[in-house]
Formats: sequence, structure tokens, C-alpha cells
Amino acid sequence: SQQGEEDPQALSIQEGENATMNCSYKTSINNLQWYRQNSGRGLVHLILIRSNEREKHSGRLRVTLDTSKKSSSLLITASRAADTASYFCATVNFNKFYFGSGTKLNVKP
Amino acid sequence: GAGVSQSPSNKVTEKGKDVELRCDPISGHTALYWYRQSLGQGLEFLIYFQGNSAPDKSGLPSDRFSAERTGGSVSTLTIQRTQQEDSAVYLCASSLASDSPLHFGNGTRLTVT
Repeated sequence: SQQGEEDPQALSIQEGENATMNCSYKTSINNLQWYRQNSGRGLVHLILIRSNEREKHSGRLRVTLDTSKKSSSLLITASRAADTASYFCATVNFNKFYFGSGTKLNVKP
Repeated sequence: GAGVSQSPSNKVTEKGKDVELRCDPISGHTALYWYRQSLGQGLEFLIYFQGNSAPDKSGLPSDRFSAERTGGSVSTLTIQRTQQEDSAVYLCASSLASDSPLHFGNGTRLTVT
């Protein structure tokens, strides 16, 4: 499969804890993007990291990319109940976006 | 400004009927994608438009599926002779350029009975 694959499939944590999700892929990429999906809604773009970047931050989000291992991680710090959602990585090669099956994050208040 | 709009939000149809799903992308977005998402699953790519042309139709599951885009804007996805396995959420997304972040609509939930 050319898709990114997220790990773990499901993650349950307490509010205030950090959440880490991983993504592995097989193809070469221009960039890798992380998206969030709340139940019954479309996906919302969170952060983009280019193939020549190793780390990127946006608010409470930190993304790393290791192209030699073909893997990325998304860290959400100081999680909140409102962070409960599914998180998807998308590996991007020109116009082709490949989505994994997502990590379901549950943040308990 | 307005986001990506999809209609209808829900569609229930009988097996064998044809359905049309509509997507209004963000104004000025040249790239448009259709995806299908089954319950609790990831996204399955269907088709990609750049302007009005569809350089990548590789994800359409069968010849019952077709899509068009007119005026570089609105797109319709048509499913003919619907089957129960077509039941899913159909998501549309648009972007400014081919590898830019995607902006998704809230999808059309299709149920084939």
C-alpha cells in the first residue's frame, strides 16, 4: 500500500497528558500533512511538514519527520477534552494524497 | 470566506437508483478531490481534478462511477445503479495548488437500502 499508516489505532489519555501518534509510509514525498476529523465532519488541516524539514511546531502541536525511516510523529501537548477526534496523516507526492486509517484519540476530562 | 460546500448532506436511495452528489469548492481553488470514507475507516481516493480536467481517475471503483467539473468550479459525482456497498460518506476537498493543504467539505452520507 502507498498509504500512510498511523499507529496506534486508538489512544485514550487523561486531560493534561501528551498524546503521540506515529505515521509510517512507503513512497517518496513532497510533504506530509496531518489532519483532524471530528465525528460526522470533514477533515481539517493541522500542519504541513516538507520533505527537507525535520521538525515543525504550531501551538500545542509538534511534528517530526524522518525521511530515512519514512516516518513522522504528531505530538499534542497538554491535551484537552476538545482534542478528542481522529487524526490522519497524509503523504503527498505532487497531486497525490495518501491517507492512512487514522488514530482515534479520546481525551478524558 | 465560505468553505467547501457539499450537498445533499444525507442521501438515502434504493438499490439500483442513480445518485448525484455535488461539491462547491472554495473560490479560486483549482484542485478538487473526491474521496470515499466507510464507517470508521480511512479515506479512499476516487478522482482528482485540475481545473476542468481529470488527470487522475484511477480511484473510481467501477464504470458506475463518474465525475465532472464545470467552469473550474462545481463538481458532481454520479453513481449509477447504486449497490449497497456504495454506502459511505463521500468527501470533497479543494486546494490552491496540487500539494497544498486540502480544505474538506462535511461530506454526503450515502445510504443504499
